[in-house]
Amino acid sequence: KQEVTQIPAALSVPEGENLVLNCSFTDSAIYNLQWFRQDPGKGLTSLLLIQSSQREQTSGRLNASLDKSSGRSTLYIAASQPGDSATYLCAVKEETSGSRLTFGEGTQLTVNP
Amino acid sequence: ETGVTQTPRHLVMGMTNKKSLKCEQHLGHNAMYWYKQSAKKPLELMFVYSLEERVENNSVPSRFSPECPNSSHLFLHLHTLQPEDSALYLCASSQGLAFLSSYNEQFFGPGTRLTVL
Repeated sequence: KQEVTQIPAALSVPEGENLVLNCSFTDSAIYNLQWFRQDPGKGLTSLLLIQSSQREQTSGRLNASLDKSSGRSTLYIAASQPGDSATYLCAVKEETSGSRLTFGEGTQLTVNP
Repeated sequence: ETGVTQTPRHLVMGMTNKKSLKCEQHLGHNAMYWYKQSAKKPLELMFVYSLEERVENNSVPSRFSPECPNSSHLFLHLHTLQPEDSALYLCASSQGLAFLSSYNEQFFGPGTRLTVL
């Protein structure tokens, strides 16, 4: 059974700092991996989707990498801002899971002004 | 705005009530999903519909009953719920399912915050 773990569970940083969020998964037979952002009490916003054949994806100040063989992904946030404060979720789609995404519990990020 | 709307945004109900959650997507997608998000737990997939047919039921209790009358609308009918069913219920949609397309990105609605008393 696929399990997704995110470390750390919570992170508090001063504004302007570069930071890395980690995601690991137990079964490397994945179709893709997706990073989401969730603001308190709200739905999910997709940030980056990495196909299994890709190594990284970039969008603005965000960069996500994927090492499928070792079962790891990182989300790098450059020059963090208070508006980046949210919970960041990692999810993997397995090759044989149909439409199922397996989610991690998330990293709660607070960027202090 | 992701193109996926959910109503109501908040719902409080007793254990004997019957209520329904509604989801509508304006993206022209043909697959829709219900997820449950409980405090301190990962998101859990509940149901998947593709082309208005249910293709996945992730061992969800029968007190949750989904309905997909067309590709743009998805309902979750609730009946005799338990307090532990209190959670954020999220709807999502995508164009195609994973095994048909490698670019199956799901777009989520804002969720319905459900409290069962």
